[in-house]
Amino acid sequence: DQQVKQNSPSLSVQEGRISILNCDYTNSMFDYFLWYKKYPAEGPTFLISISSIKDKNEDGRFTVFLNKSAKHLSLHIVPSQPGDSAVYFCAASGGDSSYKLIFGSGTRLLVRP
Amino acid sequence: DAGVTQSPTHLIKTRGQQVTLRCSPISGHKSVSWYQQVLGQGPQFIFQYYEKEERGRGNFPDRFSARQFPNYSSELNVNALLLGDSALYLCASSLIGLTNYGYTFGSGTRLTVV
Repeated sequence: DQQVKQNSPSLSVQEGRISILNCDYTNSMFDYFLWYKKYPAEGPTFLISISSIKDKNEDGRFTVFLNKSAKHLSLHIVPSQPGDSAVYFCAASGGDSSYKLIFGSGTRLLVRP
Repeated sequence: DAGVTQSPTHLIKTRGQQVTLRCSPISGHKSVSWYQQVLGQGPQFIFQYYEKEERGRGNFPDRFSARQFPNYSSELNVNALLLGDSALYLCASSLIGLTNYGYTFGSGTRLTVV
C-alpha cells in the first residue's frame, strides 16, 4: 500500500526554466510534508517542508504547493540550475505516525546546461 | 558541528551472516531513526528510538533489531541476512523524534549481501 506516490521517475529540463515535481498521497491523516534531495552516495538532504495548515511555502528558488482536497503537492524550482540535478523525494508524516516519514519512490531531475 | 555519522560506509556480507550498523546522532539530538532504501525506491522506516526507548517499528521481520545507548548513539542489527537485505541503510537524528523538528539524515551504510 503505497501511501505516497511520485509517478514520474524522471524529469529533464533546460537550465533557467522551471522544474515541477509532483507527489500524491492517500492518507488524510498526513499533516506535514517534506521534500528531500539526494545525491549518489549521500543521505537525503532536507529541502523544504509544508504544514497542512498552509497551501504554499517558499524558500528562495524552491516553492512547495499543497492541495489538500486533491491530496497533491508539488515542488517548483525556478530557475533550475545544473547543480539541482539529483533525485528528489517527497515524504509525509502525521496522525499517530508523526515520528516517521513515509517516502515516495523519488523523481530523478536532470537540468541540462 | 558534526552531522549524523554512520559506520561503516560500505560492507559486504554473506547470506546467513549477521551485521551491525552504527549511528551517532547530532549532538543534543535524543532520537535516532533507521530507514532502509532499496535501489529504485524511497527510504522505508524500520525503527525509531527516543530516549533509549523504542517508539515505533516499521513492517520488518524480527531479524531486524536495534538499540540506543545512554549517549544516544544507536546500533541496527540484522540477523540471518538475505539477498533482499542488500540496501542503503540510513540513520536520521532529530531533537525529539518528531518529523517537524529537524530530521537530519546521515550518508548511510551500503550493505551488499552475496
